[in-house]
Parts: sequence; C-alpha cells; structure tokens
Amino acid sequence: RKEVEQDPGPFNVPEGATVAFNCTYSNSASQSFFWYRQDCRKEPKLLMSVYSSGNEDGRFTAQLNRASQYISLLIRDSKLSDSATYLCVVMGAYSGAGSYQLTFGKGTKLSVIP
Amino acid sequence: DTGVSQNPRHKITKRGQNVTFRCDPISEHNRLYWYRQTLGQGPEFLTYFQNEAQLEKSRLLSDRFSAERPKGSFSTLEIQRTEQGDSAMYLCASSRGRTGEMETQYFGPGTRLLVL
Repeated sequence: RKEVEQDPGPFNVPEGATVAFNCTYSNSASQSFFWYRQDCRKEPKLLMSVYSSGNEDGRFTAQLNRASQYISLLIRDSKLSDSATYLCVVMGAYSGAGSYQLTFGKGTKLSVIP
Repeated sequence: DTGVSQNPRHKITKRGQNVTFRCDPISEHNRLYWYRQTLGQGPEFLTYFQNEAQLEKSRLLSDRFSAERPKGSFSTLEIQRTEQGDSAMYLCASSRGRTGEMETQYFGPGTRLLVL
C-alpha cells in the first residue's frame, strides 16, 4: 500500500459544480496534513493545511479523519481558475512524529469547463 | 520577490556529466528541503537541512547525489555522472522551522533537468 493515495482522476466538471477529492494515508503516526495545488509546469503551492476539527477557507473545505486515516477536500462553486492538479500531502508519512519530510500523493487533475 | 529562488531554471546535459543546482530559501527560514518530481507523479523527498546540518536523507538519494548548505543559507544539489533516469524537476522548499508553529513548506520554481 502506498503511503499516500488519492483518487486518480481526472475530474472534468462544469463551472459552479461542487467537487470532492479524497485521500488516504498509511502511517497512523503522521503528524500534519495539507492540500497543495500545482498548475501545469509550476511548483506546488499550499492551498490549505488540514486540521482535525476540519477547516474552511472560502469555497474550500478540508477534513481529516484520523481514525480512518482519510483526508478530503471539497471545492464549492468551482471556477475556471480552479483548474489544476490537487496534491494530498502528509508530513511524517514514513517516520511519524519528528520527521519533516512531506509525502505527496500522485495528484488529481481537475479541469473546470465553461 | 522574497520567495524561494532556484537556479538554473532549466538544464540540459549529456549522460555522464556532473550538474549542480542552487537554491536560495526565504530569508530567515532555517529548514531547507530538496524534492524531485517526474512526470505524472507527486514530488518525492530527497533530503533536508536544519541550518547547515543535513538531518534526513531519502533512500532515493544515491551516492551520485550530494547536497550542501555550508553557511545555513543557500544550498546546492550536485548530481555526478548523470543518467537519463535523473531527468526530472528538482524542487527546493524552505520553512521557518520554529517550535510550536505549523510547519509550512514553500516551494521554489524548480530546476528542470534533461539528461540526453
């Protein structure tokens, strides 16, 4: 089992749609969780950190379920500018607490269509 | 621009040659990371520095790869005797590394390496 697994995608959705990305991780000792966004041929950029209580930033909602080792990202009212690859990221996926290396999922490509 | 910078942005080399990349982290960030990304994959961790000390190294970092951060500021990643399989985007990231803070890594634009 891979350390971080994501929906393979791609997701093609119309503008205004709600889209959900799911991710699972294998190491229960993993300490921090993030969603990064990556545009074509660009570097990954932090979209949001994911907290146990769940967190929201405008149209974006992230949730973490430590018991199920599951992370999700919900995008509401999707815009053309949301088209990108969304990367699920776990800190400490290999070594748990005290490790600062990030482990990335393969990413899920989202295309928002007019 | 006070973000992470990397040079060069692109490098084309012939198999067997040595290449060196440079990363300048965000000012006052004391942790610096190197990752590698190939097409269709997420970035993979290579190594990280806390100030000048190299604290973690991935099993991906073969003996042909060496990284330094001599003064705790910029870092270099050298690949000796390049192979075609080294072709990838090499990404550098930095973070503040302050106790009690959420650790957020900010990435540079990357150096795209093509080995012919």
